[in-house]
Amino acid sequence: GENVEQHPSTLSVQEGDSAVIKCTYSDSASNYFPWYKQELGKGPQLIIDIRSNVGEKKDQRIAVTLNKTAKHFSLHITETQPEDSAVYFCAASLRALGKLIFGQGTELSVKP
Amino acid sequence: NAGVTQTPKFQVLKTGQSMTLQCAQDMNHEYMSWYRQDPGMGLRLIHYSVGAGITDQGEVPNGYNVSRSTTEDFPLRLLSAAPSQTSVYFCASRPTGLNEKLFFGSGTQLSVL
Repeated sequence: GENVEQHPSTLSVQEGDSAVIKCTYSDSASNYFPWYKQELGKGPQLIIDIRSNVGEKKDQRIAVTLNKTAKHFSLHITETQPEDSAVYFCAASLRALGKLIFGQGTELSVKP
Repeated sequence: NAGVTQTPKFQVLKTGQSMTLQCAQDMNHEYMSWYRQDPGMGLRLIHYSVGAGITDQGEVPNGYNVSRSTTEDFPLRLLSAAPSQTSVYFCASRPTGLNEKLFFGSGTQLSVL
């Protein structure tokens, strides 16, 4: 089955700096790669996703890149703000099976 | 809309006790799933369902049972709780089709003593 590895487990940046979180997946058939943000005491919420037919996707300050050959994808947050502090999860799935497998999570801390 | 509702929010059990974590959604989503969240382990899929009457195992199904008698409800049962089942449990749902965004509940924090 699919296995998703996420790094780093913790990340601390200064406000205004960029943050990058990386994930690798094992199943080359996976074709959907979302990123979720979890604030303290809440359930995760989707912030951006990418499908295997696209190499990069941007939404304001966040972007995701996908390298299918290397089976890895990354989340990029630019101009970080204190409200970006949260736990971020990557995930992968093969749409036909419907199962979404998550990485271990990255705790991002943005210091003012 | 309420979205995905989980009850209870907190629960303490003794080893060997049984209980059911409730999950209900009012978005008419066909797909529902249960995850557990543990430090350093991320979110691990326990069971999922693609529609009423259909369930399947995820990554860590042992010790848990599920059923899906209606589209709205997807309860998770612990038949004989163990300390290893101490965790935060999340229920999530999504529509079928091209929109694959998962909607999560607010979680149930379970402690097994």
